[in-house]
Amino acid sequence: GAGVSQSPRYKVAKRGQDVALRCDPISGHVSLFWYQQALGQGPEFLTYFQNEAQLDKSGLPSDRFFAERPEGSVSTLKIQRTQQEDSAVYLCASSPENYGYTFGSGTRLTVV
Amino acid sequence: AQKVTQAQTEISVVEKEDVTLDCVYETRDTTYYLFWYKQPPSGELVFLIRRNSFDEQNEISGRYSWNFQKSTSSFNFTITASQVVDSAVYFCALRPFSGYALNFGKGTSLLVTP
Repeated sequence: GAGVSQSPRYKVAKRGQDVALRCDPISGHVSLFWYQQALGQGPEFLTYFQNEAQLDKSGLPSDRFFAERPEGSVSTLKIQRTQQEDSAVYLCASSPENYGYTFGSGTRLTVV
Repeated sequence: AQKVTQAQTEISVVEKEDVTLDCVYETRDTTYYLFWYKQPPSGELVFLIRRNSFDEQNEISGRYSWNFQKSTSSFNFTITASQVVDSAVYFCALRPFSGYALNFGKGTSLLVTP
């Protein structure tokens, strides 16, 4: 497709459940980013991939968060044992050269 | 450390009014990029502008204009003759020249009513 695609669009998880969020970047984009956006806040950086290499995961809030991009295209953000504080919109962005960022519409995660 | 402050949480204007969204930033980097993004209710972040720290020329794009003042660390955004379709949350962001992660402000929610 022409843009960054994220799925699911909405996810409701029971506390303690594991979730997986998918990001399909624009074809050929080398850089991929995950951001977390809490309600009423700006997006906050989680992690950065260059092709399949995860170069920065300093923003991941805990070891329950894990991201991968095994073939340098599609990326998955996994959250284990979800907690209520994980409720947020998770945004994915891709870039051809770490310069211009195209964001997806995000996955809204609600932990109940 | 980097910080972006958008002091205006919410702004409400009537259509055709001009409105300015403020952005103040802090950084120790001498070269950096500044961005503005629009987030409509659909949720995606729509890119509006990127500015290099060494280029202080103001920019105009249609009804949108940006005023970059390095001396006051501000990068303000003005919408002239606002329209209902301008209603959205607007984010200012900062990125070091050699970095990759965007540091966002908390956003300003703009409501334009007919």
